[in-house]
Amino acid sequence: QAQLVESGGGVVQPGRSLRLSCVASGLTFSTFGFHWVRQAPGKGLEWVAVIWFDGSNIHYSDSVKGRFTISRDNSMNTLYLEMNSLRAEDTAVYYCATDNGDYAYEYWGQGTLVTVSS
Amino acid sequence: QAGLTQPPSVSKELRQTATLTCIGNNNNVGSQGAAWLQQHQGHPPKLLSFRNNDRPSGVSERFSASRSGNTASLTITGLQPEDEADYFCSSWDNSLNAYVFGTGTKVTVL
Repeated sequence: QAQLVESGGGVVQPGRSLRLSCVASGLTFSTFGFHWVRQAPGKGLEWVAVIWFDGSNIHYSDSVKGRFTISRDNSMNTLYLEMNSLRAEDTAVYYCATDNGDYAYEYWGQGTLVTVSS
Repeated sequence: QAGLTQPPSVSKELRQTATLTCIGNNNNVGSQGAAWLQQHQGHPPKLLSFRNNDRPSGVSERFSASRSGNTASLTITGLQPEDEADYFCSSWDNSLNAYVFGTGTKVTVL
């Protein structure tokens, strides 16, 4: 049974940084790509970034490009999202989700809440 | 980034059939297909349909996906109270080099 567990959320001031983690178990981490998807309070889903299984391809949404960095450590079964220059509009629950190369979003974590506020 | 267009809400009677639509363009839905996800309040999304319209293991046969041109559809037959949720479509956009989500449809079972 695949399980994804996000952590690292919290309250942060505008302009500051935060790093989210997503630890995976019950799957062969190194064979999966991963997405970060966020959801602002009361709003819909917004795709943030994706990293291929081997890290060879990375893509970002325009809203986070240049500020956020997605990375992975296959030895630790962990996905990361480094978020810099945070803005109020980055406030959301951040989810990690799998991608097996053909199909996205099969497994999801429970999410971690990031609140950007002074 | 432009998203995919979904109707904000759909209301149907118990045991009726609901068809949800997701309108994209040739760069996303028309060429890449669309996945469908269900989200209950306070929970993470759940994948209902892969972009090739197949269902993941464990998803009820009452959910079926299809595509015609740039429009993807999700049909829910025999609506049940537990089908009340938000539904999102998603696709890869090969012009944006990004994934896009639909605006979401809230399904109400009367």
